[in-house]
Amino acid sequence: TQLLEQSPQFLSIQEGENLTVYCNSSSVFSSLQWYRQEPGEGPVLLVTVVTGGEVKKLKRLTFQFGDARKDSSLHITAAQPGDTGLYLCAGAEDSNYQLIWGAGTKLIIKP
Amino acid sequence: DAGITQSPRHKVTETGTPVTLRCHQTENHRYMYWYRQDPGHGLRLIHYSYGVKDTDKGEVSDGYSVSRSKTEDFLLTLESATSSQTSVYFCAIRGGLHTGELFFGEGSRLTVL
Repeated sequence: TQLLEQSPQFLSIQEGENLTVYCNSSSVFSSLQWYRQEPGEGPVLLVTVVTGGEVKKLKRLTFQFGDARKDSSLHITAAQPGDTGLYLCAGAEDSNYQLIWGAGTKLIIKP
Repeated sequence: DAGITQSPRHKVTETGTPVTLRCHQTENHRYMYWYRQDPGHGLRLIHYSYGVKDTDKGEVSDGYSVSRSKTEDFLLTLESATSSQTSVYFCAIRGGLHTGELFFGEGSRLTVL
């Protein structure tokens, strides 16, 4: 069974600080996605990374796919209270594009 | 807006009663999914569909059945609800054919007493 380990599970920091969330696996993924979920809502896709070593930026969020396509990171610069939420990573298998989900990182940014 | 609506959004029921959750999409997507989300477990796939009348089991399918008689509707049924099925249920459609990207509904919170 493929696993996608996400860390940390919980992070509470002050506004303005930087943070990094990690997703790691022993398996290779054809692509990896990051989602953000707010209370009472469904997850919303932030980004998809496809190529090993790929880096994508979304304003203050930087996403990186590992060279071997087994791991990924999400870095937030100068976090703001609006970044508060549950961040989920999901890796797509080559064969059928079914997603393997990380357990999520609950992020709280305090003003 | 991916055009996905779930109903009901909230439901409280008693153990042993049947429950049906509905997912409706307006985007004509082929693939549809039902997940449940529980603290500490993340998102777990219950069933999915890859076309009308074509469905398959996910990792936590026991106690659940699904039906898809039209492209736009995907129904999840709990034949006899149990307290362990108290959860938040999400429907999703696949938007990225070659990347597996999903677009989710707003969720249905089910409480089984």
